[in-house]
Amino acid sequence: AQTVTQSQPEMSVQEAETVTLSCTYDTSESNYYLFWYKQPPSRQMILVIRQEAYKQQNATENRFSVNFQKAAKSFSLKISDSQLGDTAMYFCAFMKQRGGGADGLTFGKGTHLIIQP
Amino acid sequence: GAVVSQHPSRVICKSGTSVKIECRSLDFQATTMFWYRQFPKQSLMLMATSNEGSKATYEQGVEKDKFLINHASLTLSTLTVTSAHPEDSSFYICSVLDRGGQPQHFGDGTRLSIL
Repeated sequence: AQTVTQSQPEMSVQEAETVTLSCTYDTSESNYYLFWYKQPPSRQMILVIRQEAYKQQNATENRFSVNFQKAAKSFSLKISDSQLGDTAMYFCAFMKQRGGGADGLTFGKGTHLIIQP
Repeated sequence: GAVVSQHPSRVICKSGTSVKIECRSLDFQATTMFWYRQFPKQSLMLMATSNEGSKATYEQGVEKDKFLINHASLTLSTLTVTSAHPEDSSFYICSVLDRGGQPQHFGDGTRLSIL
C-alpha cells in the first residue's frame, strides 16, 4: 500500500509571495501518477497539476510548478505570485498506474493555505 | 463545463432511512468510477471502485452491505447508504477517470446529514 504525507497542516503567506507546499510519498510501485488538488470552501475538487512518474521534467501550469524528486519520493508544489483566490485546502495525491484499469487516489491529509491581502 | 454531475448536493434525513446518491459522467462513457468520503477537516478516503457491469470493489473497512454501489450504465453510478445513522454523516464525492485514464474528474459532492 502507498502512503502520502503532507507535513504542513497550515501555511499563511502575503499576496504576491511565493509559497511551497511539501509532499512525500511511499510506494513500491514504479509506474504511478502524482497530483495536486485544490479544495476551496465550496469543497469542489480542482486539479492543479499532475506529474507522470516516468517523466523527469517537472510539470508546470502557469503559476504552479512542482519539484518532483523520484528517488527521494518527494513532490512539492510551488505557487508563484500567490493570489487571494489561491486560499484553499491543497491535497497531494498518488495514483498507481496499471494496465487494463485504474486505481483510486490516495490523498495526503492536506495543507490549508491562506493568502493574506 | 462540468464533466461529472453529482446529485443531490445536500441531504438531511432521519436515522434509519436509506439515501441514494447519483454520479453521472456527462462527457464520456466511464467504465470505472470512484466513491470517496470526507469527514470534516479531514482528507478524502477512497471507499470503493465502481465497475460498470460488475460488482464494486470496496476498500478495507468499508461495509459493502452498508454502502451499496450500482454501476448499471456507462454514465451512471449510484451509492446507496442503507439504514443511515448519525455516524454516516459526511461529505461523499464521486470521481470519473478521464478518457486517457487520468486524471480523475470529481463531482461537486453530497453533504449527508443524518439526524
